[in-house]
Amino acid sequence: GIQVEQSPPDLILQEGANSTLRCNFSDSVNNLQWFHQNPWGQLINLFYIPSGTKQNGRLSATTVATERYSLLYISSSQTTDSGVYFCAASPPGNQFYFGTGTSLTVIP
Amino acid sequence: DAGVTQSPTHLIKTRGQQVTLRCSPKSGHDTVSWYQQALGQGPQFIFQYYEEEERQRGNFPDRFSGHQFPNYSSELNVNALLLGDSALYLCASSSYRWGGRSSYEQYFGPGTRLTVT
Repeated sequence: GIQVEQSPPDLILQEGANSTLRCNFSDSVNNLQWFHQNPWGQLINLFYIPSGTKQNGRLSATTVATERYSLLYISSSQTTDSGVYFCAASPPGNQFYFGTGTSLTVIP
Repeated sequence: DAGVTQSPTHLIKTRGQQVTLRCSPKSGHDTVSWYQQALGQGPQFIFQYYEEEERQRGNFPDRFSGHQFPNYSSELNVNALLLGDSALYLCASSSYRWGGRSSYEQYFGPGTRLTVT
């Protein structure tokens, strides 16, 4: 299977700051998703983005499939943004592989 | 529009016992995948069901088995429980056409937290 690596593993921000989370994958994929896992374990869909750029409010994501990476941007962070962010990718006709996540803490 | 539901929410079992977890997919979805998430790790793929058949399987032993019903709901069964099976079990649903360059977005349920003592 493919390798999915996320960086940084941990991130501490002051409320209002901006951040960029990165996801690298080792082979071609045709599915890529970003999730936010809340403290109760629920995985919340942020973006389905196998290629291109999408924006949703303060969050945006870009996937450059040919260079095998995706970026998640969080602007004007809020305490409610705290939690673990996961990237998951799947090659054609294959299962999803998750990264180990980025743990984000936003301090008031 | 009902999302993905899972039951039970929490479960405590003894080593050697068997457990069954249940999942109902999001309305309009026909494919169910199961994942195991150990503490501090990302979810690991167990298997995927489509048209009542296991279509893909991850690196999990035969103690892990599943079933999909005609209404697309699914069960995950784990036999001979080990302490290492303690984890959050997540179910994901999608609308999926098997074969070729498939593209699909997954939606996850709230999970079942299994503790084996």
